[in-house]
Amino acid sequence: DAGITQSPRHKVTETGTPVTLRCHQTENHRYMYWYRQDPGHGLRLIHYSYGVKDTDKGEVSDGYSVSRSKTEDFLLTLESATSSQTSVYFCAISDPSYEQYFGPGTRLTVT
Amino acid sequence: SQQGEEDPQALSIQEGENATMNCSYKTSINNLQWYRQNSGRGLVHLILIRSNEREKHSGRLRVTLDTSKKSSSLLITASRAADTASYFCATDHNTDKLIFGTGTRLQVFP
Repeated sequence: DAGITQSPRHKVTETGTPVTLRCHQTENHRYMYWYRQDPGHGLRLIHYSYGVKDTDKGEVSDGYSVSRSKTEDFLLTLESATSSQTSVYFCAISDPSYEQYFGPGTRLTVT
Repeated sequence: SQQGEEDPQALSIQEGENATMNCSYKTSINNLQWYRQNSGRGLVHLILIRSNEREKHSGRLRVTLDTSKKSSSLLITASRAADTASYFCATDHNTDKLIFGTGTRLQVFP
């Protein structure tokens, strides 16, 4: 494994509640990414970071925010969770050749 | 919209047979990558082929890239039951981001 963990691994929450997912790496990679994976859609990029405090939006960023205050941690926040945000969330990190290494995923259910 | 589209969506073969998956994309790329995902797990990087390369090998994997047709293929030779997984192509358009396709589900029967 590439030294990347996600927490929690599973979460059930109610509509309207805030949720924060954490991605932690021990590889000191500059780039970190958050994706969601849904049936029929493959992986879609939510937000990514290219350095501490440097982030940018991806394809499906509405309803999500991110923060990166340290190289090793990248947080994804759902300010007010909706049922459409039920998904599996993957964090990834990348090295200079752009190969990405993925975490184990977080399964989020919004009821 | 997603750039990479895999074909076929699903493929079932017997152990020992070869499996071929194709990926097409829409605009010019810096490189193209293939990933594997076992059920319930994260994606694992398999191979990266740069835009100036035409073919690349890694063990039982062979990847080709045809930039004129904007397409790539992944060949798995002498498949094994352990190769059962979903396979994704991802394109790098020199933007620090990858665009993933929707994947091919490969089932290898013993």
